[in-house]
Amino acid sequence: NAGVTQTPKFQVLKTGQSMTLQCAQDMNHEYMSWYRQDPGMGLRLIHYSVGAGITDQGEVPNGYNVSRSTTEDFPLRLLSAAPSQTSVYFCASSYSTGIYEQYFGPGTRLTVT
Amino acid sequence: AQTVTQSQPEMSVQEAETVTLSCTYDTSESDYYLFWYKQPPSRQMILVIRQEAYKQQNATENRFSVNFQKAAKSFSLKISDSQLGDAAMYFCAYRRESNYQLIWGAGTKLIIKP
Repeated sequence: NAGVTQTPKFQVLKTGQSMTLQCAQDMNHEYMSWYRQDPGMGLRLIHYSVGAGITDQGEVPNGYNVSRSTTEDFPLRLLSAAPSQTSVYFCASSYSTGIYEQYFGPGTRLTVT
Repeated sequence: AQTVTQSQPEMSVQEAETVTLSCTYDTSESDYYLFWYKQPPSRQMILVIRQEAYKQQNATENRFSVNFQKAAKSFSLKISDSQLGDAAMYFCAYRRESNYQLIWGAGTKLIIKP
């Protein structure tokens, strides 16, 4: 199993550009989520999904869109990049919504200039 | 709203000694879960240990153990026999049951002195 994979690992965008961060898991996990990590802060939840076709907003959803058409994939779209979105982005998944461990991808470092 | 506080931005310990990392949280929920994650320089988030709030017994995983004080809303991590590979950022996290969101502390950087 590859676990949780994220692409790209690094990305530089200009203000106003759009892009999609890819996340995939091969563990048949129902629950998937996107976090951002900023210096001196813990991770903050952007969006999450409890199953294919079901998504909801987290703590900091503005400027981001998600969709979940399959169990395996959960892409994060930046609609119009802003410097405030410079961060490290993590995708995570877990089997379900119980005590099950969340598995994290390796992260994407995004810089918006 | 739930909050998680890690009051120690950085801690250092001599190799083979014991260190305790502090974490406090604020919540009005009675049932919840608490976690410690490790983030080495590779950036990968690794689960260290978890605790269910309804369990009075403190969780242990090999050299890692917690001191869970529910009334005081405290969840500290003890690392025994510290090893060089333990050097990392350590994050305490609370799981909100309404949307399964993990609420994270700001982290503690652990330095291991050889």
